[in-house]
Amino acid sequence: QKEVEQNSGPLSVPEGAIASLNCTYSDRGSQSFFWYRQYSGKSPELIMFIYSNGDKEDGRFTAQLNKASQYVSLLIRDSQPSDSATYLCAVPVYNFNKFYFGSGTKLNVKP
Amino acid sequence: KAGVTQTPRYLIKTRGQQVTLSCSPISGHRSVSWYQQTPGQGLQFLFEYFSETQRNKGNFPGRFSGRQFSNSRSEMNVSTLELGDSALYLCASSSRTDSTDTQYFGPGTRLTVL
Repeated sequence: QKEVEQNSGPLSVPEGAIASLNCTYSDRGSQSFFWYRQYSGKSPELIMFIYSNGDKEDGRFTAQLNKASQYVSLLIRDSQPSDSATYLCAVPVYNFNKFYFGSGTKLNVKP
Repeated sequence: KAGVTQTPRYLIKTRGQQVTLSCSPISGHRSVSWYQQTPGQGLQFLFEYFSETQRNKGNFPGRFSGRQFSNSRSEMNVSTLELGDSALYLCASSSRTDSTDTQYFGPGTRLTVL
């Protein structure tokens, strides 16, 4: 079992819709969770992180964490074509600066 | 603040050669991590350096090594290159925000092994 799992997609949504990206992790001791966006040919850029159960909002992005079920999700409201990218979920090993990344979900936002 | 920088951006080498990649972290960041990204394996952790010491290591062979200098700049070396080493090599520097280490990535070095 991989430490972090994501559906590879592609996930296609129309412009203006809500895109929902999901990630599950295996280590119950994980404390913090990160979402990165990676455009084709570019390096990952941080969107947001979350470490408390519940929701955390940042602009059009909302991260949701459910530690009991070991999943974290990212919602993108009012999706734009510029949101088309691969979204990576990352989970650090507790108290270590070593991150496990999911394989990423490719999002296509259609105009 | 300037971001993470990596040099060179592109490299072409042949099997058996060795290569050295360089990374300069964000000013004030003392932790530098290296990752390999390939289409088949995704992003995989190589190692992390903090205050000139390797603090964490991934599951890569000994041909992959690194070091960190007193100014936090880091280098990664791959010896006896194999075709499978062709990848995007990413460096990330970390700050500590509360209890969370946030990693910021550089643009990467694209290595092609022929």
